[in-house]
Amino acid sequence: DTAVSQTPKYLVTQMGNDKSIKCEQNLGHDTMYWYKQDSKKFLKIMFSYNNKELIINETVPNRFSPKSPDKAHLNLHINSLELGDSAVYFCASSQETGGNSPLHFGNGTRLTVT
Amino acid sequence: SQQGEEDPQALSIQEGENATMNCSYKTSINNLQWYRQNSGRGLVHLILIRSNEREKHSGRLRVTLDTSKKSSSLLITASRAADTASYFCATSRGAQKLVFGQGTRLTINP
Repeated sequence: DTAVSQTPKYLVTQMGNDKSIKCEQNLGHDTMYWYKQDSKKFLKIMFSYNNKELIINETVPNRFSPKSPDKAHLNLHINSLELGDSAVYFCASSQETGGNSPLHFGNGTRLTVT
Repeated sequence: SQQGEEDPQALSIQEGENATMNCSYKTSINNLQWYRQNSGRGLVHLILIRSNEREKHSGRLRVTLDTSKKSSSLLITASRAADTASYFCATSRGAQKLVFGQGTRLTINP
């Protein structure tokens, strides 16, 4: 059983399009995250939700909008995609907030904007 | 900045040797975590060490934490080809987010 699963694994799209990435966890965790990993492997947090409420919102363009329909799901919608959005996006979950417990990551969605 | 910095950026050793990776950070922390990332995969948690702990072991992994020097090290003993991966340290402070470094790319040569 996959603990944190995200879809799709690969996403190739053109500039200006709108796309969504979905994430689900079956670990019973209350906290979920979106991280972005750039080409240099630098991993940066974008958003964090705790029990469906947004608790961390980093300096991310308004084109990125997370949605958490329930605490097991955290989706990411991106409007008007730009070349610089190309990266690997990781969903993660944890039992506690604030980095006080291990994060469980999905296998990532590689987004390529052409 | 809270962000950890790993050193070296890349490390290549022979199978069976020990591998040591270091992480330095700038502010006080609650805990420090180490993760492994295989190519094309998500990060996998290895060890969490709290600020009041100095050393933790898990199988062939040994993590040390020196809060006075604001540094941590990850030692992998008797390395195997399957240990080839990128290794990241991550720090948290208070109720804030977990912040990752840029990782050390470890290559184990057979």
